[in-house]
Amino acid sequence: QKEVEQDPGPLSVPEGAIVSLNCTYSNSAFQYFMWYRQYSRKGPELLMYTYSSGNKEDGRFTAQVDKSSKYISLFIRDSQPSDSATYLCAMSESGANSKLTFGKGITLSVRP
Amino acid sequence: DTEVTQTPKHLVMGMTNKKSLKCEQHMGHRAMYWYKQKAKKPPELMFVYSYEKLSINESVPSRFSPECPNSSLLNLHLHALQPEDSALYLCASSQARVSEKLFFGSGTQLSVL
Repeated sequence: QKEVEQDPGPLSVPEGAIVSLNCTYSNSAFQYFMWYRQYSRKGPELLMYTYSSGNKEDGRFTAQVDKSSKYISLFIRDSQPSDSATYLCAMSESGANSKLTFGKGITLSVRP
Repeated sequence: DTEVTQTPKHLVMGMTNKKSLKCEQHMGHRAMYWYKQKAKKPPELMFVYSYEKLSINESVPSRFSPECPNSSLLNLHLHALQPEDSALYLCASSQARVSEKLFFGSGTQLSVL
């Protein structure tokens, strides 16, 4: 089993839809959970960052972490064509030499 | 300034060439990273510098040689690359030795002929 699994997609939704993106993981030592957004031919951009379990909201975006189920989600409300991008989940342990472990990424297309 | 600037944006090189990729940040970050990303794949960590010292080398072939001249600059020297090394090379930085909040540059798209 891979350390981080992410639905491969691609995903296509109409404008205004609610989008749910998910990742599961196997390493119980992961403490930090992130979502990165990557537009074509650009570097990833940190979208949401959560420490341990719980919810975090930023505008139209909500990140959820359920450590007991080893499951994280990103919800996008009122999706816009500008949300069309690849979304990567990423996780790391605490500690001086911790490294980010990325999911494979899912490409989202929001149709006008 | 919240940017990580990478140059050049595109690079085409032959297998016998020597070239360098450059990365600069002025956010006062003390950790800097090189990642390699193939199309439709997540970024793969290559090197990490923490306080200008190499702290992680992910068993990268010696034809890739990193250098951190100061806390704002990071270089990646390339020599005798193979066509399979063609990829997007991403530089990133973070505040200290904390991997989670990485700021990425736009990358250098490298093609090896």
